Amino acid sequence: SYELTQPPSVSVSPGQTASITCSGDKLGDKYVCWYQQKPGQSPVLVIYQDAKRPSGIPERFSGSNSGNTATLTISGTQAMDEADYYCQAWDSSTVVFGGGTKLTVL
Amino acid sequence: EVQVVESGGALVQPGGSLRLSCTASGFTVSGNYMSWVRQAPGQGLEWVSVMYSGGTTYYADTVKGRLTISRDNSKNTLYLQMNSLRAEDTAVYYCARAYGGNSGRFYYYYMDVWGKGTTVTVSS
Repeated sequence: SYELTQPPSVSVSPGQTASITCSGDKLGDKYVCWYQQKPGQSPVLVIYQDAKRPSGIPERFSGSNSGNTATLTISGTQAMDEADYYCQAWDSSTVVFGGGTKLTVL
Repeated sequence: EVQVVESGGALVQPGGSLRLSCTASGFTVSGNYMSWVRQAPGQGLEWVSVMYSGGTTYYADTVKGRLTISRDNSKNTLYLQMNSLRAEDTAVYYCARAYGGNSGRFYYYYMDVWGKGTTVTVSS
């Protein structure tokens, strides 16, 4: 079965750029989306189709996908961005999630 | 307002059954892809099942044969029938509206509206 691999944790200082990676075999040949989940809350879609932002998502969230790696980038990271982030793709009629990355803003 | 609300979660014994419901408002369940996703305590997200607008269904291998997704168009409600429950099915179950299809070269799938979830605990 297809697997997506994310780093368990990423730390960033306020105002700096955070990059969260998601790796998978030939991932660049698939569309990737990203979800943000804060403690005790439901997931929120922040990026879909590699790089598109849903309405209401701040411009500081961006995405890219090439080769074997997709990247979620948060520019000018704010304290409110501290959360778990999950990448997701579709493979062989199943939805695949990455294991999640805890973003700490400190 | 576009939203989904899950219900039906409970404490159930191993081997037991449960039916979860997901009632949508602001859009029709029958006109959209609808998915169930679960999250075990302290763990990540795990996809469970999807029903396409046309009725096609897919399941994760971990639930195939035990969990069944269905819908009632007249009630605008999605269901998840859960049979032969195991301790490892303990989780918060989320219902989500999804979009899927081919855009140029690849197939896309993403979930844009999520409910608050309903908790299923399987324990004796």
